[in-house]
Amino acid sequence: DAKTTQPNSMESNEEEPVHLPCNHSTISGTDYIHWYRQLPSQGPEYVIHGLTSNVNNRMASLAIAEDRKSSTLILHRATLRDAAVYYCILINNAGNMLTFGGGTRLMVKP
Amino acid sequence: EAGVVQSPRYKIIEKKQPVAFWCNPISGHNTLYWYLQNLGQGPELLIRYENEEAVDDSQLPKDRFSAERLKGVDSTLKIQPAELGDSAVYLCASRGPGGNTGELFFGEGSRLTVL
Repeated sequence: DAKTTQPNSMESNEEEPVHLPCNHSTISGTDYIHWYRQLPSQGPEYVIHGLTSNVNNRMASLAIAEDRKSSTLILHRATLRDAAVYYCILINNAGNMLTFGGGTRLMVKP
Repeated sequence: EAGVVQSPRYKIIEKKQPVAFWCNPISGHNTLYWYLQNLGQGPELLIRYENEEAVDDSQLPKDRFSAERLKGVDSTLKIQPAELGDSAVYLCASRGPGGNTGELFFGEGSRLTVL
C-alpha cells in the first residue's frame, strides 16, 4: 500500500504563508491526494484534494509535483485558528482510504 | 444539514465492562467508517461499510470488537469486554458517492476511558 510521510511538526507566524509537505513516493496512478486537518477535540475535517493539477479552494491550495510523488498544502495567510494537525492521505479507485499516519502538527505564533 | 452524529461523547467504564458507540451518518451517505484514534496519533481504520455490508474489517479485533449497520444507515460499534488499552477516541465518518474524490465527513468522536 502506498504510504505518506509528513514532518511531525511545523511552526509559522500569524499572517504568513505556510507550506506543509507530504511525500507519497509509492502513489498509484489513480490515487487521489486528500488533505484533512484536525482541530483539538474534534474529528478531522476536509481541506482539499487533487489528482494531478494544482487545486485552489477557499481554505487552501494544493500543489502536486509533476511526478506526483509529493505534494504541498499551502495556507496563504496562517491564522491562530489554523493551528491543527494536518493529514495527507491517499484514496484509491475503490474508495479505500490508506492510513492517516501521524500528520503534521502546525503551531501558529501570534 | 446535520453532520455525522456520534454518541456518547464521553464514556468512562471499568475494565471488563461492555461499551457501545452509536453513529448516524449524513443522510444519503452509503459509506461509513469507524476509526480508532490514540492520543497523539492519526486515526486508524477499524471497519468500512458500503450500505449494510462490511467491506473492510481486517483491522477490527474481532475477539472483542463488533460492529453492525443493519439497515445501511446508522451503525453501532461494541467492545466486550473492554481492556485498559481500549482507551481512545472512536471516530465515525461517512462519505457519499464519488469514489476516490468524495469528501469524508467525521463526527466529533466518542472518547472512551477504561479504568
